[in-house]
Amino acid sequence: AQSVTQLDSHVSVSEGTPVLLRCNYSSSYSPSLFWYVQHPNKGLQLLLKYTSAATLVKGINGFEAEFKKSETSFHLTKPSAHMSDAAEYFCVVSESLLDTGRRALTFGSGTRLQVQP
Amino acid sequence: NAGVTQTPKFQVLKTGQSMTLQCAQDMNHNSMYWYRQDPGMGLRLIYYSASEGTTDKGEVPNGYNVSRLNKREFSLRLESAAPSQTSVYFCASLGQKSLNNSPLHFGNGTRLTVT
Repeated sequence: AQSVTQLDSHVSVSEGTPVLLRCNYSSSYSPSLFWYVQHPNKGLQLLLKYTSAATLVKGINGFEAEFKKSETSFHLTKPSAHMSDAAEYFCVVSESLLDTGRRALTFGSGTRLQVQP
Repeated sequence: NAGVTQTPKFQVLKTGQSMTLQCAQDMNHNSMYWYRQDPGMGLRLIYYSASEGTTDKGEVPNGYNVSRLNKREFSLRLESAAPSQTSVYFCASLGQKSLNNSPLHFGNGTRLTVT
């Protein structure tokens, strides 16, 4: 069974300062990991994904995440926050179920990022 | 390219009323999903359809039914709405059901309030 824990429900930073959104996961197999962003009244948009090619993954809008297997973490970072980064962020773990070939997706509960001017 | 389109965007129902949420994708994707999003709970899977003609229950299917009308369309029906079904509903699609690294494509959501 897989699970995802987003360690902070709310994060507040000042514009121009670094962003860190934390995600820990558990998975029986080699998972794929994703970060999605949701702006108000919008659907979820893919930020980046980890699929075992490289542990440091670069995404859109200057975000990146590092997969650390030993820590079972996939934290999302950005060197300098922008006002437009204010949104909700979801960490997602995906496994292919060996018996059915279907995918099991588990969403974290979300982290709301607030950016102060 | 429209991607995933959901209608309506907003809906208010009274307890006991029925309605159908519509979803269509134009990416020729095999798999389609319905999620509900509630504060502090992330997204929870209601039903999914791995391919045209098949549907399966997700984590929270009670009170809902679905129809995979064709490859493009996947509808969600509430036969007798309850206040507990007040939520934001998202439809999503996926091109490769067994390819672990393919992302989901989401619609913009339907905000449903049941009074």
